[in-house]
Amino acid sequence: SQQGEEDPQALSIQEGENATMNCSYKTSINNLQWYRQNSGRGLVHLILIRSNEREKHSGRLRVTLDTSKKSSSLLITASRAADTASYFCATDPSGNRDDKIIFGKGTRLHILP
Amino acid sequence: EPEVTQTPSHQVTQMGQEVILRCVPISNHLYFYWYRQILGQKVEFLVSFYNNEISEKSEIFDDQFSVERPDGSNFTLKIRSTKLEDSAMYFCASGDAGTSGNIQYFGAGTRLSVL
Repeated sequence: SQQGEEDPQALSIQEGENATMNCSYKTSINNLQWYRQNSGRGLVHLILIRSNEREKHSGRLRVTLDTSKKSSSLLITASRAADTASYFCATDPSGNRDDKIIFGKGTRLHILP
Repeated sequence: EPEVTQTPSHQVTQMGQEVILRCVPISNHLYFYWYRQILGQKVEFLVSFYNNEISEKSEIFDDQFSVERPDGSNFTLKIRSTKLEDSAMYFCASGDAGTSGNIQYFGAGTRLSVL
C-alpha cells in the first residue's frame, strides 16, 4: 500500500510568505520525518516527529502530526529563495526493525523572488 | 560534519554490463541502506544492511542486485546485468537507528544511466 502522500504536488509562493505542505499515510508509525531534496542532489534530513508528539519546531520549520488522521504538515515560515526544493515526508512504520523508511512522492516548492 | 559519500556521481553503462556503486557511510553508523529514485518519481527502498547481512529488501532488489561491506568503511551495491529500467539515481544512506529514531543520512547519489 502507498504510504506518505504529500500534497500539494507543487507549490509556488512569494518570498517571505509561509509555505505549508501536507502528508498523509496509511499505517501506524513510530515516527515521521521530513526531508528536503535540492534539484539533482541527495536528501537532507530536516526534522523528525515521534508518534507521541503533536508538534515540533526547528528554526523556521514547524511540523505537526495527527495520528488519528494519519497526517502531518510541514510549515516553512518567512520563505527564502534557498527554500526552493522538493520536500518529502518519510514514515517509519510501527514494528519496523529500524529498516526502511517509506517516502512520499514529494512537494516541489518554488519560492518566487 | 560527517557525511555519506558516494562514487561515482554519474555512471554510464551499456545494457547487460555489471556496475558497482560505492558508498562510504558515516563511520560510527551501524545501519546501511540503498534507495533509488527514477527521474521524477518517489524515492524507493531497495535494501537495508546490518551486522554484515541484509536485514530487509524490497521486491525491486532481485537476484541481479547484491550488496557488500567489503571492509570497515565501504558499502557497495552491485547490479550484475543492467537493464534500461535500472536507470535512476541511487542513494546510499546510513543511520544509528535506535538513538536517533531511524534518521537516515543520505549521500548525494549516483546517477546511473543504462544505454
